[in-house]
Amino acid sequence: DIQMTQSPSSLSASVGDKVTITCRASQSMSSYLNWYQQKPGKAPQLLIYAASSLQSGVPSRFSGSGSGADFTLTISSLQPEDFATYFCQQSYSMPYTFGQGTKVEIK
Amino acid sequence: QLQLQESGPGLVKPSETLSLTCTVSGGSISGSSYYWGWVRQPPGKGLEWIGDIDYTGSTDYNPSLKSRVTISVDTSKTQVSLRLTSVTAADTAVYYCARRDYVWGSYPLLYFFDYWGQGTLVTVSS
Repeated sequence: DIQMTQSPSSLSASVGDKVTITCRASQSMSSYLNWYQQKPGKAPQLLIYAASSLQSGVPSRFSGSGSGADFTLTISSLQPEDFATYFCQQSYSMPYTFGQGTKVEIK
Repeated sequence: QLQLQESGPGLVKPSETLSLTCTVSGGSISGSSYYWGWVRQPPGKGLEWIGDIDYTGSTDYNPSLKSRVTISVDTSKTQVSLRLTSVTAADTAVYYCARRDYVWGSYPLLYFFDYWGQGTLVTVSS
């Protein structure tokens, strides 16, 4: 199985801050990487697919980059509704696996 | 707007079988290239892909659960079902129904989960 490791596990930030979350895969997987946002008590929502493609309806302050084994999710200017947990997920090979999550909290 | 809704018992006894149903509304399961399946999340923990199925009945399962999992589809009812046998406390989780779509033109196909149900908590306890 491909192991996905996110860092940091949690972070504190203020509204307006730029936030960067990284995801590292245990093997190279081209751009087969997706990002999700999950708010408490809610289902995950797709933000980014194929490492850098923005899902329809997702604000442009979210962006993704990377290929191979190292990927990044960036929020250019953190908004109050962005406080949530973010997961990366690889779709390069089955079984599909997720990172452990990064919780973004209010400073 | 496509909607997925999970249903089933919220409490299952150890060693018994967990059964859940996902009802899809606002769209069709038949004749599409999507996969429909299940992802679970133990309380306070991360996400685990369980498996999924397409409208023809072709399935993909997580090998870690494959021996205990069966996913089936009823296209006439636009429902997808999950059966997980011999459950233990480790199977306590929120179970999500999700649609798996792919990027057109990608090879191998690049899949992502773009629609999710609200999730249902299943507790395994006597």
